Amino acid sequence: GAVVSQHPSWVICKSGTSVKIECRSLDFQATTMFWYRQFPKQSLMLMATSNEGSKATYEQGVEKDKFLINHASLTLSTLTVTSAHPEDSSFYICSVKWGTEAFFGQGTRLTVV
Amino acid sequence: AQKVTQAQTEISVVEKEDVTLDCVYETRDTTYYLFWYKQPPSGELVFLIRRNSFDEQNEISGRYSWNFQKSTSSFNFTITASQVVDSAVYFCALSGYGETSGSRLTFGEGTQLTVNP
Repeated sequence: GAVVSQHPSWVICKSGTSVKIECRSLDFQATTMFWYRQFPKQSLMLMATSNEGSKATYEQGVEKDKFLINHASLTLSTLTVTSAHPEDSSFYICSVKWGTEAFFGQGTRLTVV
Repeated sequence: AQKVTQAQTEISVVEKEDVTLDCVYETRDTTYYLFWYKQPPSGELVFLIRRNSFDEQNEISGRYSWNFQKSTSSFNFTITASQVVDSAVYFCALSGYGETSGSRLTFGEGTQLTVNP
């Protein structure tokens, strides 16, 4: 299966600052990546679909200006949480589409204090 | 719209017991994929199985087995002779069959399994 690397694994930031999370496909070129969010003891919810070279597609209720997604290359998608607030504290996890399979990164645990 | 329901929020068993995790799904697609993932405390998602809607044959992999019944829209997961290392949150998920939707997953709420020694 595909290898997906997500960085950082965890991050603590101050309220009002921005945080960037990277999702890398290590062994193949990925035209499509997905970003999910998981609040404590809850399910994973799809936030957006990241397409290389074009704008991301956001799910209903997800603020595109707050969660900036950039998929500038075939191996890297980034999610930037802008002006983070404590309610943005969550586990963010990316997945990469390979054929009809989905391979997940290790996830990033974001804590906003 | 797609929906996955895992009615069991938490299950606690004693080691060596068998345990079944239930999953019921809703979809308007005639073809689709079903998945099970394991999420240990570290957070990463561990892929367990993918089953397409064409194939209703039950599957066994070691201590794991899956029962797919299209007639009841269920895809249940059984762990035989459970072990402490099986303790984790287990997610059932569903995706469409198309080029993009095949990897765009709808997850259930998850079942926290605790296996006590």
